[in-house]
Amino acid sequence: DIQMTQSPSSLSASVGDRVTIICRASQSISSYLNWYQQKPGKPPKLLIYPASSFHSGVPSRFSGSGSGTDFTLTINSLQPEDSATYYCQQSYTAPYTFGQGTKLEIK
Amino acid sequence: QVQLVQSGAEVKKPGASVKVSCEASGYTFSSYAIHWVRQAPGQRLEWMGWINTDNGNTKYSQRFQGRVTITRDTSASTAYLELSSLRSEDTAVYYCARDEGLTALDFWGQGTLVTVSS
Repeated sequence: DIQMTQSPSSLSASVGDRVTIICRASQSISSYLNWYQQKPGKPPKLLIYPASSFHSGVPSRFSGSGSGTDFTLTINSLQPEDSATYYCQQSYTAPYTFGQGTKLEIK
Repeated sequence: QVQLVQSGAEVKKPGASVKVSCEASGYTFSSYAIHWVRQAPGQRLEWMGWINTDNGNTKYSQRFQGRVTITRDTSASTAYLELSSLRSEDTAVYYCARDEGLTALDFWGQGTLVTVSS
């Protein structure tokens, strides 16, 4: 199975900041990387796929990049509603594994 | 609008089976695959398997091979997840999700809590 590792596991930032979350795959997954946002008690929401395409309705402050094994999710001009846990998922081959999540707290 | 509505919470004893349903609306059911993903308390999301809703073909994670069955009823626009030989470690929220076409999950059900306890 492909292992997905995110860093950091948690971070705290202020409104207006720019934050970057890293996702690394244990082997090359080309650009088959998706990003999700999950708030407590809710299902995940698709943000970006594969690697850099936006899902409908996702604010433009979210962006994704990367290919191969290294990927980033960047949130520009952080907003209070961005407080959530973010997961990456590889969609290259089954089982379609997820990262362990990055919990983002807004100060 | 696209909606996936799942069945309600379940409490099961170890060794039992559970079947969770996922009713789709707002789109043509057989045009999009359905995946099942679970999340144990405080844990990461875990992919379990998917079904091609058009022809019924399935693929499962090896971790659940032999215990999981995913089916669909196209006349009811509903997908089902059945998990057998339940153990306490299967306590989790189970989600169904629609595959937008590149194995990115664009719409999710609300989740079904399955509790396994003696």
